[in-house]
Amino acid sequence: DAGITQSPRHKVTETGTPVTLRCHQTENHRYMYWYRQDPGHGLRLIHYSYGVKDTDKGEVSDGYSVSRSKTEDFLLTLESATSSQTSVYFCAISGMDKREGSRAEQFFGPGTRLTVL
Amino acid sequence: AQSVAQPEDQVNVAEGNPLTVKCTYSVSGNPYLFWYVQYPNRGLQFLLKYITGDNLVKGSYGFEAEFNKSQTSFHLKKPSALVSDSALYFCAVGGAGGYNKLIFGAGTRLAVHP
Repeated sequence: DAGITQSPRHKVTETGTPVTLRCHQTENHRYMYWYRQDPGHGLRLIHYSYGVKDTDKGEVSDGYSVSRSKTEDFLLTLESATSSQTSVYFCAISGMDKREGSRAEQFFGPGTRLTVL
Repeated sequence: AQSVAQPEDQVNVAEGNPLTVKCTYSVSGNPYLFWYVQYPNRGLQFLLKYITGDNLVKGSYGFEAEFNKSQTSFHLKKPSALVSDSALYFCAVGGAGGYNKLIFGAGTRLAVHP
């Protein structure tokens, strides 16, 4: 999985508790992304980062925050988990293709299955 | 706004037959298009992409895709399907949004029968 790890791989939590998911890469890629996967929706972008301390919102960012203090780590936090945030979360990375600039393909981690009861 | 449609939830094909998984898109400006495959309990794996150039793009595992600008389509094809090709396939599009802010289709499940 292209030098990407996610932790934890599985988590069960209760409504209202904070949750932090971690993505770690060993590829030294500039861009990092958090997606959620839900049946019938494919993957939807939550937040992304284009460098250390540089992040921006995706299409489903409400209820989520992110931080990137080092190139290799990108954290996703659910401040107060809700049942609607039960999902599989994927981290992805991409570099700068020398020929195509920022339009390089993304590589995905193995995913974290989060259940909010 | 960018969007991707995969009109078929599931595609069934016999082993050895050609397969096609359909994708249409809507994006302002020039699109860049990707196909990914997901095996059970795994992350997505990159198959191929179209940025510019030849409309027929070849990718991993014998897959190819044809970019058709007039029909705004990017269908995934393989001349001879294998049982091991059975998986979930996603089409994705990026464009003027930059920074690879991809929009994914809902996915198509491919089932290849022996």
